[in-house]
Amino acid sequence: QKEVEQNSGPLSVPEGAIASLNCTYSDRGSQSFFWYRQYSGKSPELIMFIYSNGDKEDGRFTAQLNKASQYVSLLIRDSQPSDSATYLCAVISGSRLTFGEGTQLTVNP
Amino acid sequence: KAGVTQTPRYLIKTRGQQVTLSCSPISGHRSVSWYQQTPGQGLQFLFEYFSETQRNKGNFPGRFSGRQFSNSRSEMNVSTLELGDSALYLCASSFMTGGSYNEQFFGPGTRLTVL
Repeated sequence: QKEVEQNSGPLSVPEGAIASLNCTYSDRGSQSFFWYRQYSGKSPELIMFIYSNGDKEDGRFTAQLNKASQYVSLLIRDSQPSDSATYLCAVISGSRLTFGEGTQLTVNP
Repeated sequence: KAGVTQTPRYLIKTRGQQVTLSCSPISGHRSVSWYQQTPGQGLQFLFEYFSETQRNKGNFPGRFSGRQFSNSRSEMNVSTLELGDSALYLCASSFMTGGSYNEQFFGPGTRLTVL
Protein backbone atom coordinates (compact mmCIF):
# COMPACT_ATOMS: atom_id res chain seq x y z
CA GLN A 1 0.00 0.00 0.00
CA LYS A 2 1.35 3.41 -0.92
CA GLU A 3 1.77 5.87 1.92
CA VAL A 4 -0.30 8.51 0.15
CA GLU A 5 -2.78 7.71 -2.59
CA GLN A 6 -4.80 10.10 -4.70
CA ASN A 7 -7.83 9.47 -6.87
CA SER A 8 -6.72 8.50 -10.32
CA GLY A 9 -7.03 11.12 -12.97
CA PRO A 10 -7.20 12.89 -15.13
CA LEU A 11 -10.21 14.76 -13.84
CA SER A 12 -12.15 17.01 -16.16
CA VAL A 13 -14.84 19.45 -15.06
CA PRO A 14 -16.68 22.28 -16.80
CA GLU A 15 -16.00 25.87 -15.85
CA GLY A 16 -18.03 26.91 -12.81
CA ALA A 17 -18.39 23.37 -11.47
CA ILE A 18 -17.02 21.94 -8.22
CA ALA A 19 -13.87 19.87 -8.57
CA SER A 20 -13.33 17.23 -5.90
CA LEU A 21 -9.88 15.80 -5.26
CA ASN A 22 -9.36 12.97 -2.80
CA CYS A 23 -6.39 11.56 -0.95
CA THR A 24 -5.93 8.70 1.51
CA TYR A 25 -2.94 8.01 3.70
CA SER A 26 -1.69 4.95 5.50
CA ASP A 27 0.06 6.35 8.59
CA ARG A 28 -2.62 6.82 11.22
CA GLY A 29 -0.23 8.97 13.22
CA SER A 30 0.04 11.61 10.51
CA GLN A 31 -0.68 15.08 11.84
CA SER A 32 -0.37 17.56 8.99
CA PHE A 33 -1.78 17.58 5.50
CA PHE A 34 -1.04 19.78 2.55
CA TRP A 35 -2.36 20.43 -0.93
CA TYR A 36 0.03 21.68 -3.57
CA ARG A 37 -0.80 22.83 -7.07
CA GLN A 38 1.69 22.27 -9.86
CA TYR A 39 1.32 23.83 -13.26
CA SER A 40 3.03 22.10 -16.15
CA GLY A 41 6.74 22.90 -16.15
CA LYS A 42 6.56 24.69 -12.80
CA SER A 43 7.34 23.74 -9.22
CA PRO A 44 4.66 22.84 -6.65
CA GLU A 45 2.91 25.74 -4.95
CA LEU A 46 1.34 25.35 -1.50
CA ILE A 47 -2.35 26.24 -1.63
CA MET A 48 -3.85 24.72 1.53
CA PHE A 49 -2.85 23.02 4.74
CA ILE A 50 -5.03 21.42 7.38
CA TYR A 51 -4.20 19.96 10.78
CA SER A 52 -7.56 19.40 12.47
CA ASN A 53 -10.55 17.26 11.59
CA GLY A 54 -13.26 19.06 9.70
CA ASP A 55 -13.29 21.68 6.99
CA LYS A 56 -11.00 24.57 6.30
CA GLU A 57 -12.01 27.17 3.75
CA ASP A 58 -9.84 29.63 1.87
CA GLY A 59 -11.60 31.47 -0.90
CA ARG A 60 -12.80 28.98 -3.49
CA PHE A 61 -10.82 26.16 -1.87
CA THR A 62 -12.03 23.91 0.95
CA ALA A 63 -9.87 21.24 2.52
CA GLN A 64 -11.58 18.46 4.44
CA LEU A 65 -9.85 16.13 6.86
CA ASN A 66 -11.18 12.95 8.43
CA LYS A 67 -8.47 11.32 10.53
CA ALA A 68 -10.64 8.37 11.53
CA SER A 69 -11.09 7.42 7.88
CA GLN A 70 -7.59 8.60 6.97
CA TYR A 71 -8.62 10.76 4.09
CA VAL A 72 -8.20 14.35 3.10
CA SER A 73 -9.92 16.07 0.23
CA LEU A 74 -9.80 19.35 -1.63
CA LEU A 75 -12.87 20.99 -3.12
CA ILE A 76 -12.51 23.75 -5.66
CA ARG A 77 -15.71 25.73 -6.11
CA ASP A 78 -16.53 27.73 -9.23
CA SER A 79 -13.65 26.06 -11.08
CA GLN A 80 -11.80 28.24 -13.54
CA PRO A 81 -9.63 27.28 -16.52
CA SER A 82 -6.70 28.73 -14.56
CA ASP A 83 -7.23 25.95 -11.99
CA SER A 84 -6.11 23.41 -14.60
CA ALA A 85 -3.03 21.84 -13.03
CA THR A 86 -1.83 18.78 -11.17
CA TYR A 87 -2.84 18.74 -7.52
CA LEU A 88 -0.53 17.00 -5.09
CA CYS A 89 -1.58 15.76 -1.68
CA ALA A 90 1.24 15.68 0.89
CA VAL A 91 1.30 14.22 4.39
CA ILE A 92 3.74 14.57 7.26
CA SER A 93 4.60 10.94 7.96
CA GLY A 94 7.14 10.53 10.70
CA SER A 95 9.22 13.60 10.16
CA ARG A 96 9.17 13.74 6.39
CA LEU A 97 6.73 15.08 3.84
CA THR A 98 5.38 12.32 1.59
CA PHE A 99 3.58 13.16 -1.63
CA GLY A 100 0.92 11.36 -3.57
CA GLU A 101 1.35 10.96 -7.30
CA GLY A 102 -1.00 13.81 -8.04
CA THR A 103 -4.31 14.26 -9.83
CA GLN A 104 -4.37 16.17 -13.09
CA LEU A 105 -7.32 18.53 -13.25
CA THR A 106 -8.61 20.13 -16.44
CA VAL A 107 -11.28 22.81 -16.28
CA ASN A 108 -13.02 23.22 -19.62
CA PRO A 109 -14.31 26.67 -20.64
CA LYS B 1 10.61 38.26 1.09
CA ALA B 2 12.49 36.46 -1.65
CA GLY B 3 11.51 32.88 -2.39
CA VAL B 4 13.61 29.77 -2.68
CA THR B 5 16.20 30.02 -5.42
CA GLN B 6 17.93 27.19 -7.23
CA THR B 7 20.86 27.23 -9.58
CA PRO B 8 21.39 26.30 -12.28
CA ARG B 9 17.90 26.06 -13.75
CA TYR B 10 18.93 23.72 -16.55
CA LEU B 11 21.82 21.34 -16.86
CA ILE B 12 22.91 18.82 -19.46
CA LYS B 13 25.49 16.20 -18.50
CA THR B 14 26.71 12.89 -19.87
CA ARG B 15 26.73 9.51 -18.19
CA GLY B 16 29.50 9.09 -15.66
CA GLN B 17 29.87 12.77 -14.90
CA GLN B 18 28.99 14.36 -11.60
CA VAL B 19 26.83 17.37 -10.91
CA THR B 20 26.29 19.83 -8.06
CA LEU B 21 23.02 21.69 -7.59
CA SER B 22 22.55 24.66 -5.29
CA CYS B 23 19.60 25.89 -3.24
CA SER B 24 19.16 29.08 -1.24
CA PRO B 25 16.20 28.90 1.16
CA ILE B 26 13.80 31.64 2.14
CA SER B 27 15.46 34.01 4.58
CA GLY B 28 15.02 32.69 8.11
CA HIS B 29 14.27 29.14 7.01
CA ARG B 30 16.71 26.61 8.39
CA SER B 31 15.40 23.41 6.88
CA VAL B 32 16.08 22.44 3.29
CA SER B 33 14.66 19.33 1.65
CA TRP B 34 15.49 17.93 -1.75
CA TYR B 35 13.15 16.01 -4.04
CA GLN B 36 13.46 14.28 -7.38
CA GLN B 37 10.49 14.49 -9.70
CA THR B 38 10.07 12.25 -12.72
CA PRO B 39 6.96 11.47 -14.78
CA GLY B 40 6.96 7.85 -13.73
CA GLN B 41 7.83 8.14 -10.03
CA GLY B 42 6.34 11.45 -9.03
CA LEU B 43 7.93 13.50 -6.25
CA GLN B 44 10.40 11.44 -4.29
CA PHE B 45 12.16 12.60 -1.16
CA LEU B 46 15.95 12.65 -1.30
CA PHE B 47 17.06 14.15 1.99
CA GLU B 48 16.52 16.96 4.46
CA TYR B 49 19.04 19.19 6.18
CA PHE B 50 18.53 21.32 9.25
CA SER B 51 21.24 23.34 10.94
CA GLU B 52 23.91 21.72 8.75
CA THR B 53 22.85 18.20 9.77
CA GLN B 54 21.12 15.62 7.63
CA ARG B 55 17.88 14.81 9.45
CA ASN B 56 16.20 12.48 6.99
CA LYS B 57 17.22 10.47 3.98
CA GLY B 58 15.12 8.84 1.30
CA ASN B 59 15.72 5.60 -0.55
CA PHE B 60 18.32 6.75 -3.03
CA PRO B 61 21.77 5.27 -3.68
CA GLY B 62 24.88 6.73 -2.13
CA ARG B 63 25.66 8.53 -5.39
CA PHE B 64 23.22 11.16 -4.15
CA SER B 65 24.62 13.31 -1.38
CA GLY B 66 24.10 16.73 0.05
CA ARG B 67 25.25 19.24 2.56
CA GLN B 68 24.11 22.43 4.20
CA PHE B 69 26.16 25.46 5.07
CA SER B 70 25.97 27.71 8.10
CA ASN B 71 23.88 30.25 6.14
CA SER B 72 21.33 27.44 5.44
CA ARG B 73 22.21 27.28 1.76
CA SER B 74 22.33 23.70 0.56
CA GLU B 75 23.95 21.75 -2.22
CA MET B 76 23.25 18.32 -3.54
CA ASN B 77 25.68 16.25 -5.53
CA VAL B 78 25.10 13.34 -7.84
CA SER B 79 28.16 11.35 -8.83
CA THR B 80 28.55 8.89 -11.70
CA LEU B 81 25.43 10.09 -13.45
CA GLU B 82 23.08 7.56 -15.03
CA LEU B 83 20.45 8.10 -17.69
CA GLY B 84 17.76 7.49 -15.07
CA ASP B 85 18.95 10.50 -13.08
CA SER B 86 17.35 12.78 -15.64
CA ALA B 87 14.70 14.59 -13.66
CA LEU B 88 13.52 17.83 -12.14
CA TYR B 89 15.32 18.36 -8.84
CA LEU B 90 13.36 20.45 -6.42
CA CYS B 91 14.50 22.11 -3.27
CA ALA B 92 12.03 23.14 -0.57
CA SER B 93 12.64 25.22 2.52
CA SER B 94 10.76 25.46 5.77
CA PHE B 95 11.20 27.30 9.03
CA MET B 96 11.64 24.20 11.12
CA THR B 97 12.32 20.53 10.69
CA GLY B 98 9.90 17.66 10.95
CA GLY B 99 7.19 17.98 13.49
CA SER B 100 3.61 18.63 12.67
CA TYR B 101 3.75 22.03 11.07
CA ASN B 102 6.31 21.72 8.34
CA GLU B 103 5.02 23.97 5.60
CA GLN B 104 7.50 23.65 2.79
CA PHE B 105 7.99 26.14 -0.02
CA PHE B 106 9.52 25.01 -3.27
CA GLY B 107 12.10 26.59 -5.51
CA PRO B 108 11.75 26.61 -9.31
CA GLY B 109 13.80 23.45 -9.67
CA THR B 110 16.81 22.37 -11.69
CA ARG B 111 16.06 20.37 -14.81
CA LEU B 112 18.86 17.82 -15.24
CA THR B 113 19.24 15.92 -18.48
CA VAL B 114 21.73 13.07 -18.66
CA LEU B 115 22.78 12.01 -22.14
